[in-house]
Amino acid sequence: QKEVEQDPGPLSVPEGAIVSLNCTYSNSAFQYFMWYRQYSRKGPELLMYTYSSGNKEDGRFTAQVDKSSKYISLFIRDSQPSDSATYLCAMRFTGFQKLVFGTGTRLLVSP
Amino acid sequence: SAVISQKPSRDICQRGTSLTIQCQVDSQVTMMFWYRQQPGQSLTLIATANQGSEATYESGFVIDKFPISRPNLTFSTLTVSNMSPEDSSIYLCSVEWSTYGYTFGSGTRLTVV
Repeated sequence: QKEVEQDPGPLSVPEGAIVSLNCTYSNSAFQYFMWYRQYSRKGPELLMYTYSSGNKEDGRFTAQVDKSSKYISLFIRDSQPSDSATYLCAMRFTGFQKLVFGTGTRLLVSP
Repeated sequence: SAVISQKPSRDICQRGTSLTIQCQVDSQVTMMFWYRQQPGQSLTLIATANQGSEATYESGFVIDKFPISRPNLTFSTLTVSNMSPEDSSIYLCSVEWSTYGYTFGSGTRLTVV
């Protein structure tokens, strides 16, 4: 079993749709949770982050962590064609710098 | 956040040869990280490079295959040695600039023929 599971997609939605991206994980010791966005032929860039459980909102993006279910989500409201990219969840333990990534979900937003 | 310049951006190499990838950071950082990103798979940490000490390799990766240099606090190289087609992948370097913030280079797309 992988430490972090993420549906690779692709996920195709029309412009303006609400997008839900998800990851599940197996190790309850993960404390830091991140979402990275990766455009084609570019390195990942940090999009959202949360510590432990709870929600965090930033503009059109909302990150949720449910530690009891070992489940994290990223919601994108009013999706735009420029949101088309691969979204990777990542997490780490307290005191450790190593990031553990999901496989990434490819998102396609059509005009 | 830090800015990383990584090169080459892509290369096509013959099997049995070696390729050295360079990463230059615009600020001094203690640790640099090297990742591999294979199609359909998650980013996998190869090794962590500290300035002035031997790199620390993750399970499944060895120094003979992926030697790393870290001559100063702003620069590191990863060499992929004795390449085979299975080494075809994207290789990325990364640095940590906060608890959550890791900056990545733009990656080196390697094809081994």
